[in-house]
Amino acid sequence: QKEVEQDPGPLSVPEGAIVSLNCTYSNSAFQYFMWYRQYSRKGPELLMYTYSSGNKEDGRFTAQVDKSSKYISLFIRDSQPSDSATYLCAMSAGAGNNRKLIWGLGTSLAVNP
Amino acid sequence: EPEVTQTPSHQVTQMGQEVILRCVPISNHLYFYWYRQILGQKVEFLVSFYNNEISEKSEIFDDQFSVERPDGSNFTLKIRSTKLEDSAMYFCASSQQGAATEAFFGQGTRLTVV
Repeated sequence: QKEVEQDPGPLSVPEGAIVSLNCTYSNSAFQYFMWYRQYSRKGPELLMYTYSSGNKEDGRFTAQVDKSSKYISLFIRDSQPSDSATYLCAMSAGAGNNRKLIWGLGTSLAVNP
Repeated sequence: EPEVTQTPSHQVTQMGQEVILRCVPISNHLYFYWYRQILGQKVEFLVSFYNNEISEKSEIFDDQFSVERPDGSNFTLKIRSTKLEDSAMYFCASSQQGAATEAFFGQGTRLTVV
């Protein structure tokens, strides 16, 4: 079983829609859960991170972690064309200060005007 | 806004040649990372670096790879003898306190080995 699985899409939604992006994982040691946004030919940009279980909200973005199900989600409300990008989930186990990130494949999102 | 800068943006090299990818991390950051992303595949961790030494490296980071912080501002990744399968986007990242959660990524260097 792969450590982190993410449906690559593509996902196409109309402007204003609520978008739900998800990842599953197999390593129960993961404690830090991140969502990155990557525009074409750019580096990943950190959107949100969550430690352990629970929800975190930042503007139109909400991150959820369900450790019992090994499932994380990113919701985007009132989606905009500028949200069109690839969204990558990443996780780390949290041992020490040099925690490497384990990444999902990324989901390509297109928000249509 | 401070940013991580990588040069060149695109490097084409012949198989067997040495390449050096350069990164200028954010100035007050102490932890540095290299990741790579082969086209269509996941981002993969290569190496982390702190206090002038490697903290952790992946199985990808074999003897063909090395990292160096030659001065107070640059962080380099050297591939001694490139292979076709080294073709990828290489991302440099840095963080202030070492937590992977606050790592800032550069724009990447696209390496093409022909």
